[in-house]
Amino acid sequence: AQSVTQLDSQVPVFEEAPVELRCNYSSSVSVYLFWYVQYPNQGLQLLLKYLSGSTLVKGINGFEAEFNKSQTSFHLRKPSVHISDTAEYFCAVSGRSGTYKYIFGTGTRLKVLA
Amino acid sequence: NAGVTQTPKFQVLKTGQSMTLQCAQDMNHNSMYWYRQDPGMGLRLIYYSASEGTTDKGEVPNGYNVSRLNKREFSLRLESAAPSQTSVYFCASSELRGKETQYFGPGTRLLVL
Repeated sequence: AQSVTQLDSQVPVFEEAPVELRCNYSSSVSVYLFWYVQYPNQGLQLLLKYLSGSTLVKGINGFEAEFNKSQTSFHLRKPSVHISDTAEYFCAVSGRSGTYKYIFGTGTRLKVLA
Repeated sequence: NAGVTQTPKFQVLKTGQSMTLQCAQDMNHNSMYWYRQDPGMGLRLIYYSASEGTTDKGEVPNGYNVSRLNKREFSLRLESAAPSQTSVYFCASSELRGKETQYFGPGTRLLVL
């Protein structure tokens, strides 16, 4: 079985500052990892995903995430945020075998302040 | 390409009423999903359909039924709505389960009085 923990429910940050949104997972099988973004009153859309290979994954809008197998983490980072990055961010994990269960974290609300 | 569409966008029901939420995708995806989103709880899977002709329960199936009408359409039915079903409902689709990206509709906001 898989589970996902997003440690911060809300993260306020000033515009042009760096940000890191944390995600930890647990799983008895190897996993695929995802970050999704949800803008107000919209559905979720994919930011980036880790399937295999390089542990540093680059996504849209200048975001990147690093897969750390030993720490079972997949933290999302951006070196300089914009007001338009204000949104809710969801980490998700999917098992590579078995039932391919796809689990979402509870979300982190990023608020970028002017 | 419309992607994933959902109807209606908003709905208010009284306790005990029934309704069906409609979802359609035009990406020829095999798998479709229904989630509910509640504050502080993220997205929880209600039902999914791995392929046309199959449906399976997710994490919170009680009080809901689904129909995979064809490859494009996947509907969610509330037979007797309860206030605990007040939520935002999202439909999603993907090529396959597992490593594939899920594509989400815009959501249906449901209020049960």
